[in-house]
Amino acid sequence: KAGVTQTPRYLIKTRGQQVTLSCSPISGHRSVSWYQQTPGQGLQFLFEYFSETQRNKGNFPGRFSGRQFSNSRSEMNVSTLELGDSALYLCASSLEGREPYNEQFFGPGTRLTVL
Amino acid sequence: DAKTTQPNSMESNEEEPVHLPCNHSTISGTDYIHWYRQLPSQGPEYVIHGLTSNVNNRMASLAIAEDRKSSTLILHRATLRDAAVYYCILRDVFSPGYGQNFVFGPGTRLSVLP
Repeated sequence: KAGVTQTPRYLIKTRGQQVTLSCSPISGHRSVSWYQQTPGQGLQFLFEYFSETQRNKGNFPGRFSGRQFSNSRSEMNVSTLELGDSALYLCASSLEGREPYNEQFFGPGTRLTVL
Repeated sequence: DAKTTQPNSMESNEEEPVHLPCNHSTISGTDYIHWYRQLPSQGPEYVIHGLTSNVNNRMASLAIAEDRKSSTLILHRATLRDAAVYYCILRDVFSPGYGQNFVFGPGTRLSVLP
């Protein structure tokens, strides 16, 4: 079974631009979560989507948004990029998401650099 | 979700057992204890989880204190590949909006010496 895939793996943007990252979950998984990882703040939860609906949201500004398609693939978008948005963005998928035994499977991440 | 406290770093020799502690003194009765680890240049991966009883799987064992205020992840024979950051996370299954929104702390960086 193929794992979680994220595209692109690396991205360089300049301040003020916008960016879209893509995540394809494991086949059959309906929950997709997004995390931001930086050296200073560690791993922080952005949002979670389940059946095309945002089910949970972390404490990030509105510049960060996401969506999920009917095939469970998900995208996240960051508008008006700031230098502080430079980070590793990780996507994780799981079967349903609510049961405690549903482990999350993480992708390799997208490394975003904002210049 | 309740908070956890872990040592910043630990060292172990290859092929020896490793005990990674986690304190969670404010744990509630419905908090599950999860462990994930992140190998260098990879996303986190699931290790083990439990509620009250000790748990074993092919990767590790989870020992949970009787009062549930602490737990220990046990790697029975550390290998070089086990060098990673280990995260102990609590999840309340009845919290509003419960879903896959893990709160990761700084974790414990485990170094394995050959």
